[in-house]
Amino acid sequence: DTAVSQTPKYLVTQMGNDKSIKCEQNLGHDTMYWYKQDSKKFLKIMFSYNNKELIINETVPNRFSPKSPDKAHLNLHINSLELGDSAVYFCASNGQLNEAFFGQGTRLTVV
Amino acid sequence: AQSVTQLGSHVSVSEGALVLLRCNYSSSVPPYLFWYVQYPNQGLQLLLKYTSAATLVKGINGFEAEFKKSETSFHLTKPSAHMSDAAEYFCAVSKAAGNKLTFGGGTRVLVKP
Repeated sequence: DTAVSQTPKYLVTQMGNDKSIKCEQNLGHDTMYWYKQDSKKFLKIMFSYNNKELIINETVPNRFSPKSPDKAHLNLHINSLELGDSAVYFCASNGQLNEAFFGQGTRLTVV
Repeated sequence: AQSVTQLGSHVSVSEGALVLLRCNYSSSVPPYLFWYVQYPNQGLQLLLKYTSAATLVKGINGFEAEFKKSETSFHLTKPSAHMSDAAEYFCAVSKAAGNKLTFGGGTRVLVKP
């Protein structure tokens, strides 16, 4: 069983479109995250949710809107996609002693 | 604010040689420290973690890291590199359990036969 699963794995879309990435974890964790990995492999936190509540919102454009319907799911919706949004987006959830488990990533390409 | 610096964006080692990846951190509180590995087109996998217990931490795949508070370092080593160790390695720090991770810039390891 996959602990943290994201869909889709690859996403190619045109500028201006709206798209969503879904994430689910079956580990029973309370905290979930979205991280962005840019073309230089640099990883940065975007959002964090704890028990469906937003607790971290780093300086991310408001075109990005996370939604957590329950503590096992954290989806990321992106409006009006721009070329600069092209990146790999990782979902993660928190275990004991802050051991984070990561999904396989979603490679978003905006053309 | 916390930060992590990984010295060397690329490291090339021969198969069987020592692997040494350097990580220095800054933190205003005792940190939690982690090393993650990323294989091509994959997610991040935890190699090992330091959470204020033993300063020498052993992880998976023969890796270990030593926490040195005086040097604010958490360098990763493996005595003998294997071809399968070729990957991107990330050092990360957090302030407390359940807190976000701040990552270093990553080090790509190339293993030569």
